[in-house]
Amino acid sequence: TQLLEQSPQFLSIQEGENLTVYCNSSSVFSSLQWYRQEPGEGPVLLVTVVTGGEVKKLKRLTFQFGDARKDSSLHITAAQPGDTGLYLCAGATSGYSTLTFGKGTMLLVSP
Amino acid sequence: DTGVSQDPRHKITKRGQNVTFRCDPISEHNRLYWYRQTLGQGPEFLTYFQNEAQLEKSRLLSDRFSAERPKGSFSTLEIQRTEQGDSAMYLCASMPFGGVLIDEQFFGPGTRLTVL
Repeated sequence: TQLLEQSPQFLSIQEGENLTVYCNSSSVFSSLQWYRQEPGEGPVLLVTVVTGGEVKKLKRLTFQFGDARKDSSLHITAAQPGDTGLYLCAGATSGYSTLTFGKGTMLLVSP
Repeated sequence: DTGVSQDPRHKITKRGQNVTFRCDPISEHNRLYWYRQTLGQGPEFLTYFQNEAQLEKSRLLSDRFSAERPKGSFSTLEIQRTEQGDSAMYLCASMPFGGVLIDEQFFGPGTRLTVL
């Protein structure tokens, strides 16, 4: 059973602060996705990382895939209230396989 | 194209009743997935279709659950004899198979089921 553990489970910060959330597993993934979910809505895809060591940037968000493709991190610079939401990582063990999700990190950014 | 849509958005039912949810995927996407998400958890895989064929079912999908995708377009998920433990958000996602966007699934807004 592939498990994805996300930490921290909950993070409450002030606007302008930086933060990093983590997604770890003992399994190797062929790709890893990060999603953001707002209350009462479905997850929205932010990024997919495929290559070990890969770094992708999406405005103030920086995503990194571990060299061994077992872990990933999401760093947010100068967080804004609009960044509030549940951040989920999801891994696939082979192309087009089903996704295994972590429990998510709930981020609250206060003005 | 307006993305994945799900209907209804909310459903309240009494224990023992049957419910059916509908998902309309993005039109060119031939893979369709159903997930269940409970409070404080990430989505858990239930089943998926490639075109009209149901290719995989999770152990979470008890015999009270059935899913169909009769024409390879929209899909339905039916829960018979609902139980309070079925209360959850039911999410549908779609993905093109054979394209370059490997493993990128696009989710609908979900159906929130409450069983009283």
